[in-house]
Amino acid sequence: SSELTQDPAVSVALGQTVRITCQGDSLRSYYASWYQQKPGQAPVLVIYGKNNRPSGIPDRFSGSSSGNTASLTITGAQAEDEADYYCNSRDSSGKRVFGGGTKLTVL
Amino acid sequence: EVQLVESGGGLVQPGGSLRLSCAASGFTFSSYSMNWVRQAPGKGLEWVSYISSSSSTIYYADSVKGRFTISRDNAKNSLYLQMNSLRDEDTAVYYCAREVSSRLGELSAFDYWGQGTLVTVSS
Repeated sequence: SSELTQDPAVSVALGQTVRITCQGDSLRSYYASWYQQKPGQAPVLVIYGKNNRPSGIPDRFSGSSSGNTASLTITGAQAEDEADYYCNSRDSSGKRVFGGGTKLTVL
Repeated sequence: EVQLVESGGGLVQPGGSLRLSCAASGFTFSSYSMNWVRQAPGKGLEWVSYISSSSSTIYYADSVKGRFTISRDNAKNSLYLQMNSLRDEDTAVYYCAREVSSRLGELSAFDYWGQGTLVTVSS
């Protein structure tokens, strides 16, 4: 089955820009989606498809993709963006898969 | 307002069974594929199973295939997960999640999630 690889932890200074990446062979054929999860809460979809934001997600969140790597960029990170971020995609067999998650710290 | 409410979690002994339910409201349930996703304590998200809107297509993670069965009742706006032969490593919060996808399948995402139900497998 396919795997998606994320850096375990990333930090960013308040107001700066941070990129969180997700690597996997399935990303050459299928779009990634990105989820934010804060402690004790259910995940929230923040980016899906080419670069789509659900209603209510701030426009400082954006997505991109190149080859086998998908990226989530937060431009002007805020304290409330501190959370775990997970990428997700599907593989050619139809199974869905999550990355291991990235813990974002806002300094 | 879209709502997904899981129920059925609890404490079960290894080798036991449990049936989770997810009650959906606020949208046309029969038009959407659904998924179960779980999260072990202190760990990341793990996709468990997928079912298409008509139940014609079903997928399972390798870790649960042969032990878990996903199903749905569109008349009752409900999603289910029958879990048999439970193991310690099945201990997790189980979420149901609605899926949106493109017609060709290159795009899929879980746009709404329930709050989860905790399953604890322990003797």
